[in-house]
Amino acid sequence: QKEVEQNSGPLSVPEGAIASLNCTYSDRGSQSFFWYRQYSGKSPELIMFIYSNGDKEDGRFTAQLNKASQYVSLLIRDSQPSDSATYLCAVNFFMDTGRRALTFGSGTRLQVQP
Amino acid sequence: DAMVIQNPRYQVTQFGKPVTLSCSQTLNHNVMYWYQQKSSQAPKLLFHYYDKDFNNEADTPDNFQSRRPNTSFCFLDIRSPGLGDAAMYLCATSVGGSNQPQHFGDGTRLSIL
Repeated sequence: QKEVEQNSGPLSVPEGAIASLNCTYSDRGSQSFFWYRQYSGKSPELIMFIYSNGDKEDGRFTAQLNKASQYVSLLIRDSQPSDSATYLCAVNFFMDTGRRALTFGSGTRLQVQP
Repeated sequence: DAMVIQNPRYQVTQFGKPVTLSCSQTLNHNVMYWYQQKSSQAPKLLFHYYDKDFNNEADTPDNFQSRRPNTSFCFLDIRSPGLGDAAMYLCATSVGGSNQPQHFGDGTRLSIL
């Protein structure tokens, strides 16, 4: 069973605060993890990816991975109203085809209040 | 700029009338994907090409087919669209397999009358 679970939200944070977005996944053998941002009516845009346990930072964004707990998170520091979007977590699973491919969660809607 | 281009952005078709969506890329990526995304849902992988190797997910309806005539182009054919096929269709590319980031086109929003 390939599952990527995210709280649908909305997660509401004030401007300048830290937003914390969480994701759990079902396949212990998953190797790569991605965060995408999707504005309403638009296509997903890659924010970050992470392969190893620990933290990975890129500007205001930090991805955190804990493979033992099957948990990946995204922190957004100094949140801006322009960060208001749906954030999709994607994990690579073995698919029916025998190849690995990404399975997406349904996303967490983030609202940053000015 | 290198990119993934989907045409058309909006497509309206009639119930049961075949429709083709197109995707082209200038990234020279060897893997191309087609996803279906309905409102407030996760993108759902329909199929992907790893080079010329076609990979069809088990729960992709038989109504959906794909062609990849060359590295740059990929098409999604819906033979007899039903009302339930109304969705955003997303094309994505990557270099190598699923360990690599995928780059999405702007999508085609398909409406069925």
